[in-house]
Amino acid sequence: AQSVTQLGSHVSVSEGALVLLRCNYSSSVPPYLFWYVQYPNQGLQLLLKYTSAATLVKGINGFEAEFKKSETSFHLTKPSAHMSDAAEYFCAVISTGGGNKLTFGTGTQLKVEL
Amino acid sequence: ETGVTQSPTHLIKTRGQQVTLRCSSQSGHNTVSWYQQALGQGPQFIFQYYREEENGRGNFPPRFSGLQFPNYSSELNVNALELDDSALYLCASSPRGGTNNSPLHFGNGTRLTVT
Repeated sequence: AQSVTQLGSHVSVSEGALVLLRCNYSSSVPPYLFWYVQYPNQGLQLLLKYTSAATLVKGINGFEAEFKKSETSFHLTKPSAHMSDAAEYFCAVISTGGGNKLTFGTGTQLKVEL
Repeated sequence: ETGVTQSPTHLIKTRGQQVTLRCSSQSGHNTVSWYQQALGQGPQFIFQYYREEENGRGNFPPRFSGLQFPNYSSELNVNALELDDSALYLCASSPRGGTNNSPLHFGNGTRLTVT
């Protein structure tokens, strides 16, 4: 079964610093990968998705992620953190069997400090 | 464009009771998925409905059941509630029968507490 692992349940950065949230996937076939963000007391918002069209994917709010097959990774980055980026971030993969049934990682809580 | 709406936002139930959660899909979306998000965890897929039929199910017992109506809205029913059912229940809708690449649009969820 396809799965994703998010390294680091909590990440803290200074405002203006690089954001790097890690995600590794396990899949025997080319996966579809996603990053979602969840603000307190809200649902999930799609940041970006990888569907094999390009390895570097740009998303909303200045985020991007690079698909690296050799490392089975899909890390999320943002050059300069803003206070409003504080939230929980989830990496997800399309489950075996297709459709759009997502398997999520356990999430990374991003804290942005002044 | 109206997004995914869920009701109620919060709910407190007693162990053994039954609960119904409701979801209105985004305009133009014919597929609805339900996820359970326990505290500190990622969402777990419960099931998906397409054209009023169940279209895939996760590892949840039969006491979790659902419906989809002709207007594509959906209900999640949970019988014989257990303490571990306490979680945020997320509904997500998508277009095109839930094919690959069709993104999920999530509601804000229903916070269920079982005491």
